[in-house]
Amino acid sequence: EAGVTQSPTHLIKTRGQQATLRCSPISGHTSVYWYQQALGLGLQFLLWYDEGEERNRGNFPPRFSGRQFPNYSSELNVNALELEDSALYLCASIPSSGFNIQYFGAGTRLSVL
Amino acid sequence: AQSVTQPDIHITVSEGASLELRCNYSYGATPYLFWYVQSPGQGLQLLLKYFSGDTLVQGIKGFEAEFKRSQSSFNLRKPSVHWSDAAEYFCAVTSGAGSYQLTFGKGTKLSVIP
Repeated sequence: EAGVTQSPTHLIKTRGQQATLRCSPISGHTSVYWYQQALGLGLQFLLWYDEGEERNRGNFPPRFSGRQFPNYSSELNVNALELEDSALYLCASIPSSGFNIQYFGAGTRLSVL
Repeated sequence: AQSVTQPDIHITVSEGASLELRCNYSYGATPYLFWYVQSPGQGLQLLLKYFSGDTLVQGIKGFEAEFKRSQSSFNLRKPSVHWSDAAEYFCAVTSGAGSYQLTFGKGTKLSVIP
């Protein structure tokens, strides 16, 4: 069974540009979480999508947004990139909207120059 | 708000030595606790979890952790460390209700001396 897959592995952008990161959950999983792992800040919760809807978001500005598609894959968009957005972005999936173990992908390394 | 503290940023142990990584949490109700491991450039792999019941939980790769409610701790242990255990270790907590997002500690980087 394939795990959580994220693409691209690495992404290099310049300030002010937009970045799009993608996540495919484990087959059968309907909920997707996004986390940011920035140097010095640790792992922080970004967004939670379930059944196509945004259910909760962390303490991040509105330029961080995303969506979940009918096949439960998800996209994270970061607009007006700033240098401090450079981080590893991790996606995790769980089988349903209920409480469960989160399974993580390998992440997308975003570098903003 | 829930929080997790991992007091040790970096720990170095010799191969074959025992290991204990500390984790303290702050949460009002019964927490759901996890330990994840992250190798360089990789995502997070679940080592073990505590939901309820027996306070000593066993995980993969020979790791175990003990939940101590009175001390608000969930320390990770391994009796004999292998060189392949060198990685960063994260303790995490969630409420098990609501949105279930994980709150992580800042992590402990483990170095293993051959």
